[in-house]
Amino acid sequence: EDQVTQSPEALRLQEGESSSLNCSYTVSGLRGLFWYRQDPGKGPEFLFTLYSAGEEKEKERLKATLTKKESFLHITAPKPEDSATYLCAVQAQNFNKFYFGSGTKLNVKP
Amino acid sequence: NAGVTQTPKFQVLKTGQSMTLQCAQDMNHNSMYWYRQDPGMGLRLIYYSASEGTTDKGEVPNGYNVSRLNKREFSLRLESAAPSQTSVYFCASNEPGWHEQYFGPGTRLTVT
Repeated sequence: EDQVTQSPEALRLQEGESSSLNCSYTVSGLRGLFWYRQDPGKGPEFLFTLYSAGEEKEKERLKATLTKKESFLHITAPKPEDSATYLCAVQAQNFNKFYFGSGTKLNVKP
Repeated sequence: NAGVTQTPKFQVLKTGQSMTLQCAQDMNHNSMYWYRQDPGMGLRLIYYSASEGTTDKGEVPNGYNVSRLNKREFSLRLESAAPSQTSVYFCASNEPGWHEQYFGPGTRLTVT
């Protein structure tokens, strides 16, 4: 069964305190792994796509990495504006089937 | 470009009432999706339309119907609403293949 698990459920950091969010998955025939950011009351906003183990993508303070079983979203020196829920999704054999994790709610205190 | 738009933003229904959620995209995408988001459960796929004229069931299709009206518009209908359908509904679109999805702002639905 295709499944995505994100940990931790919630994470509180001080401004400048780096950390990582985890997304572990089991899927038959991974097409791609996607990271999204979701602010309260809004729809998810695309951040990164990773396609194969060993791939890395960076954007400002965020860096996403992928292995055969999990992905990490590393946040370096976070700022309060990085506070949001971060969602991970995998795209399965069927291009139109995406499976989402329940997200990690990040709170960065000034 | 407006991206993906959804109406209404909020809705309260009584058990047994029906309603249609509307979604439109202006990115010329072929594929469109309906998801529901519940606390602690992540986004779950209700129905999708891989291209104009086609629709398919996702993980949780029971109690819902969809219509792909044209390439831009994809609607979700609740024929007889139940309290278990209280949720936030998101519409999304993308190009078929290895492509990210773009999401609308959501419709918050409460069924009493």
